[in-house]
Amino acid sequence: QQQVKQSPQSLIVQKGGISIINCAYENTAFDYFPWYQQFPGKGPALLIAIRPDVSEKKEGRFTISFNKSAKQFSLHIMDSQPGDSATYFCAASMNFNKFYFGSGTKLNVKP
Amino acid sequence: ETGVTQSPTHLIKTRGQQVTLRCSSQSGHNTVSWYQQALGQGPQFIFQYYREEENGRGNFPPRFSGLQFPNYSSELNVNALELDDSALYLCASSIGLGTSGANVLTFGAGSRLTVL
Repeated sequence: QQQVKQSPQSLIVQKGGISIINCAYENTAFDYFPWYQQFPGKGPALLIAIRPDVSEKKEGRFTISFNKSAKQFSLHIMDSQPGDSATYFCAASMNFNKFYFGSGTKLNVKP
Repeated sequence: ETGVTQSPTHLIKTRGQQVTLRCSSQSGHNTVSWYQQALGQGPQFIFQYYREEENGRGNFPPRFSGLQFPNYSSELNVNALELDDSALYLCASSIGLGTSGANVLTFGAGSRLTVL
């Protein structure tokens, strides 16, 4: 059973537009929800993360929206740039032990 | 400050063989986790080592085994390789459990294993 479900699988956005990636989870014991960014040939790198006691976290152009009752969270990239083109993974964990990753979203920002 | 380094970067094995992958954790990190990333998929947790002891294991068979050394570097060993073992194997280090840094995984670039 997939613990974290991510959509869409791929996303094309024009430069300056808003990119939105969604994730849903089942296990209410998860207490940490990070987003990772991965460029080709590189390992994933932490982008932004949130805990379930807040509904939104913003860092620069990146915002996580968290809906605890719906067990959903999303990543919003404002003013998307070609340099944001990468694969994005949502994840969830409990007690900083095992991280469950979504299947990834390949974002292509067109100039 | 050096990041996480993994070796080898690429390797090709045949079915039934054994493989050892190596990881040097980021300076100051004492916890290492291994993940398997199949093509087009998200990383899947294999196991985690904290202070040389296994501290959690994912849904992988016993032919996947690991070690952590006193300098916190780590090895992933896979015996009796199968075609489905072909994947990118990622090592991630973090600061010890129960600290504010424990939730930040720093990944290496991975070792890409192809099993023929």
